[in-house]
Amino acid sequence: LAKTTQPISMDSYEGQEVNITCSHNNIATNDYITWYQQFPSQGPRFIIQGYKTKVTNEVASLFIPADRKSSTLSLPRVSLSDTAVYYCLVASGYSTLTFGKGTMLLVSP
Amino acid sequence: ETGVTQTPRHLVMGMTNKKSLKCEQHLGHNAMYWYKQSAKKPLELMFVYNFKEQTENNSVPSRFSPECPNSSHLFLHLHTLQPEDSALYLCASSQVLLTSENEQFFGPGTRLTVL
Repeated sequence: LAKTTQPISMDSYEGQEVNITCSHNNIATNDYITWYQQFPSQGPRFIIQGYKTKVTNEVASLFIPADRKSSTLSLPRVSLSDTAVYYCLVASGYSTLTFGKGTMLLVSP
Repeated sequence: ETGVTQTPRHLVMGMTNKKSLKCEQHLGHNAMYWYKQSAKKPLELMFVYNFKEQTENNSVPSRFSPECPNSSHLFLHLHTLQPEDSALYLCASSQVLLTSENEQFFGPGTRLTVL
């Protein structure tokens, strides 16, 4: 299972774009990259998933360089309600997901 | 109701009590999971069920006993717990046994306090 490394915390202000980078140097050929969001005392919620290049949905964008050894979650124009912990996960095949400590994003007014 | 529901949302119990946590998913999924999240720790996968059959037990103490009567319901029976078992217990489900391409849907969790 590929190990991931992401910053422990990040601070931002409302309206700014936030980019959270995750390193996964040992990513395997079949691994997908998935990001989850978790609010306090709630279960994680799927945000976005990708394999290579760029993926965009109504919530975020995911940028994956050609070597796939890292990925960047981009949240456009964050609001106070985006304050949460963001997890980067890498897995393939029939493997259960391993959640790391994630990145605590604090958005201030 | 839709999604994954869990009851109760909060539970306080003594070390000699027996209680059960319930999880129900209304998504037609075939795989269900129990996770434990202690304060300031990553989520820990406890049990995995696929089509009602337990496929994974991550060295969980026997004081935690899971039950999956059908693909929509999952229980976690608790007995003689310890204070260090206090945590947020999360249930999740996925369409099929988890693969990297599948999204996992989580319930709101049960906040358990063991006195």
